[in-house]
Amino acid sequence: KNQVEQSPQSLIILEGKNCTLQCNYTVSPFSNLRWYKQDTGRGPVSLTIMTFSENTKSNGRYTATLDADTKQSSLHITASQLSDSASYICVVKEDSWGKLQFGAGTQVVVTP
Amino acid sequence: GAVVSQHPSWVICKSGTSVKIECRSLDFQATTMFWYRQFPKQSLMLMATSNEGSKATYEQGVEKDKFLINHASLTLSTLTVTSAHPEDSSFYICSARRGFGNEQFFGPGTRLTVL
Repeated sequence: KNQVEQSPQSLIILEGKNCTLQCNYTVSPFSNLRWYKQDTGRGPVSLTIMTFSENTKSNGRYTATLDADTKQSSLHITASQLSDSASYICVVKEDSWGKLQFGAGTQVVVTP
Repeated sequence: GAVVSQHPSWVICKSGTSVKIECRSLDFQATTMFWYRQFPKQSLMLMATSNEGSKATYEQGVEKDKFLINHASLTLSTLTVTSAHPEDSSFYICSARRGFGNEQFFGPGTRLTVL
């Protein structure tokens, strides 16, 4: 069973609107959680990283939250742009061996 | 900083041939490099971990004789898919990190299509 679950699998939003992606994880012990953006046919690019003590982290129009007690994270995209169309992957790093656990990603399509 | 490149970006080959993919860390020395495979609409799956100068560690279910990994220097790792078959067609992504506990930086990926 995947230790990192993302929802929704995909979503379509209108340009200029906001959206929120969810990530639930069971990885333990926990080191950090990253959100990556992966454009089609490209490698993942890091958007945010949060450790256990951090609740929120912003990177431009991207804002990530983390609740380490409930093991949930979200990524909020504000005022979406066409260039935001991509797969967004939640990745949790294990504390012991440093292994990365990948979510399956949420495919976001921004339409004009 | 922290740029990782891959070459080629895409390759098409005939079934039964071997294909080599290079992964380079351009502006840092990578003690560890990772190779991932990604099928359509799925997430990245770790294939193997390689440390410079030593043998790669393969994940369960990955054939080491089929996916040969060489990490001969601190800036270069290669993945050779031997006797490729259509089911090996996938998107192969490498990542590199400076040392244990540091961030992994991902390459742009290589699209392999086996006819």
